[in-house]
Amino acid sequence: SQQGEEDPQALSIQEGENATMNCSYKTSINNLQWYRQNSGRGLVHLILIRSNEREKHSGRLRVTLDTSKKSSSLLITASRAADTASYFCATDGEETSGSRLTFGEGTQLTVNP
Amino acid sequence: KAGVTQTPRYLIKTRGQQVTLSCSPISGHRSVSWYQQTPGQGLQFLFEYFSETQRNKGNFPGRFSGRQFSNSRSEMNVSTLELGDSALYLCASSLLGSNSPLHFGNGTRLTVT
Repeated sequence: SQQGEEDPQALSIQEGENATMNCSYKTSINNLQWYRQNSGRGLVHLILIRSNEREKHSGRLRVTLDTSKKSSSLLITASRAADTASYFCATDGEETSGSRLTFGEGTQLTVNP
Repeated sequence: KAGVTQTPRYLIKTRGQQVTLSCSPISGHRSVSWYQQTPGQGLQFLFEYFSETQRNKGNFPGRFSGRQFSNSRSEMNVSTLELGDSALYLCASSLLGSNSPLHFGNGTRLTVT
């Protein structure tokens, strides 16, 4: 079963707009990570935020983490058609730290040119 | 550095057969983990290996097994295949420890008929 829940399940926007995806989880974590997956390919790591961090930036990506609400959001600014992909949050739990990540169900982002 | 390599890329098997999938991690990465991805269940953790030892195992039946060699390359085996085993099997490598992102291969697409 998936620990994380993401919303929306699907998001369609125009190029240049911002895209926001949300993730909720259930247990205590060491960190939360976001990954991107293009159709039929492997996952690509985007950003990792530790449990003692509240916000992190990487290029056009901004991630926030609220451990009191057990939630995170991923903001992609000035989106491009190449950002079209599925985005997954994944938690590294305190009890199962390391490579055993628990993934959310993912958000399918479509950026229309 | 070369990325994570998985072979074969596609595989078609019939029920009852067995299959072996291979994964070569990024040079220097000694932790290898496996995930199953299906439309219905999403991404689910199978197992993780480090220094030829299984560190973690997910909730899969004993038909799913794996191993890691001294050069960190890993294989997973599924015996007595069932239709429900059809999935994208993803291998990921990482440096050991929490806060180390996973680097995924492009997966092996297994179809069981």
